[in-house]
Amino acid sequence: NAGVMQNPRHLVRRRGQEARLRCSPMKGHSHVYWYRQLPEEGLKFMVYLQKENIIDESGMPKERFSAEFPKEGPSILRIQQVVRGDSAAYFCASSPGLAGAETQYFGPGTRLLVL
Amino acid sequence: GENVEQHPSTLSVQEGDSAVIKCTYSDSASNYFPWYKQELGKRPQLIIDIRSNVGEKKDQRIAVTLNKTAKHFSLHITETQPEDSAVYFCAASKGGSYIPTFGRGTSLIVHP
Repeated sequence: NAGVMQNPRHLVRRRGQEARLRCSPMKGHSHVYWYRQLPEEGLKFMVYLQKENIIDESGMPKERFSAEFPKEGPSILRIQQVVRGDSAAYFCASSPGLAGAETQYFGPGTRLLVL
Repeated sequence: GENVEQHPSTLSVQEGDSAVIKCTYSDSASNYFPWYKQELGKRPQLIIDIRSNVGEKKDQRIAVTLNKTAKHFSLHITETQPEDSAVYFCAASKGGSYIPTFGRGTSLIVHP
């Protein structure tokens, strides 16, 4: 089953450390979306990437957060100097990105806990 | 930007009853409306979707209706079962980036 894969599934960091979250899209999908979910809340869009391009990062905090989707390898969401408020579940989703094929498929998420 | 409102936030029903979850959206250009089910600690999973050129879509016990004029769409689950218990999210998106705006979710509890 070549579904969307994320790792690690759980990540514990102390304040000030860096967190790196990885996402491998479904086979054949070239579009990746990152979302943040706080407890008992909906999914908040962060960033939309295609291979080697950031298409829309309007939901991403201006500082400490960055994302990339290199030509080879997974997409990475990077959070520098983490703070307690960064604790959340981070989901990525992928899609073929074509009209009529806009459905997004989600990965299992990375649960980040900042101590 | 798009704004999606979802109601109710919590819905409790008896097994076998029907459940209806409603969403409204603000951007008349939105043309794709997926529904996701998320069980505790799991990933959101697409259960049904509808495009703006269709008014209703059914898949076994699940149906979705769309009223473009009123800008609202609803999820209907018939003959509910305990395994339907989960949080359900609606979303709206439009062509181009298809970045969805999600509702805040409805926690559905089906009592045996």
